[in-house]
Amino acid sequence: DSGVTQTPKHLITATGQRVTLRCSPRSGDLSVYWYQQSLDQGLQFLIQYYNGEERAKGNILERFSAQQFPDLHSELNLSSLELGDSALYFCASSVAPHLSGANVLTFGAGSRLTVL
Amino acid sequence: AQKITQTQPGMFVQEKEAVTLDCTYDTSDPSYGLFWYKQPSSGEMIFLIYQGSYDQQNATEGRYSLNFQKARKSANLVISASQLGDSAMYFCAMREIGSGNTGKLIFGQGTTLQVKP
Repeated sequence: DSGVTQTPKHLITATGQRVTLRCSPRSGDLSVYWYQQSLDQGLQFLIQYYNGEERAKGNILERFSAQQFPDLHSELNLSSLELGDSALYFCASSVAPHLSGANVLTFGAGSRLTVL
Repeated sequence: AQKITQTQPGMFVQEKEAVTLDCTYDTSDPSYGLFWYKQPSSGEMIFLIYQGSYDQQNATEGRYSLNFQKARKSANLVISASQLGDSAMYFCAMREIGSGNTGKLIFGQGTTLQVKP
C-alpha cells in the first residue's frame, strides 16, 4: 500500500456520461498530480495541485476538470466521455514540490475507466 | 521542451543475468532529476531509483543502478541478477528543477521487460 488512495478502482460507463475520480494523497503530502495512461499515449501528465491551488497543467482536455479540496484530497471530473477516454487514471502525491529535485512521486493504484 | 525517449519497446533477459534498459532525455534546464519507475502487471507504479543532474556518482539502489552519461543525455537503468519478479514495464521520467519547477514528471513510453527462467 503506497498510502495514496484512489477510488473507484474500476469504472464502466457509456459515451456522453460524466464520472468523478477521487484521490486521497499520502499523509503529509501537499501536492497531487493526475496522469492518464492509455495504450497508445503512454503516461500523460494532466494537472497538478499544490495545497489547494492549481500548479501546472498538461494535456488536459477541456471536458476534464480537477480540484484539490482543503483536506487535500483531489477529484478529477471527466465529462462528455468518449471511447478514447478509456484509460488508467493515476493520482500521485508528493511533499512540497519546489523543495527538492529528488522529491519522489508516490502513485496510487489507479482508476481504470472503460467507456462503452 | 523536455522529452524522454525509451527506444526499446520490449526486452528479454535470462534469469540471473544483468540487463540494461535505455533512456535518453532532452532538456535545456541545467538542473534536472531523472527517475525510473516499475509497473508490474498489477498496474501500480513503483519508484526504483533517482539521479540528480549534479550528482557526481551514479545512483544505486540494491540490484538497480543508473548509468548516467550527462554529455550523451542518457540515463540507462541496469538491473543486475534478474529475477522472475522483475518482469514488468519500466518507465524513465524526468523533472526539470530550474525556476518554475512544479515537481511534475514527464515519462517516456516505457520498456517491457520479460525475465526468462
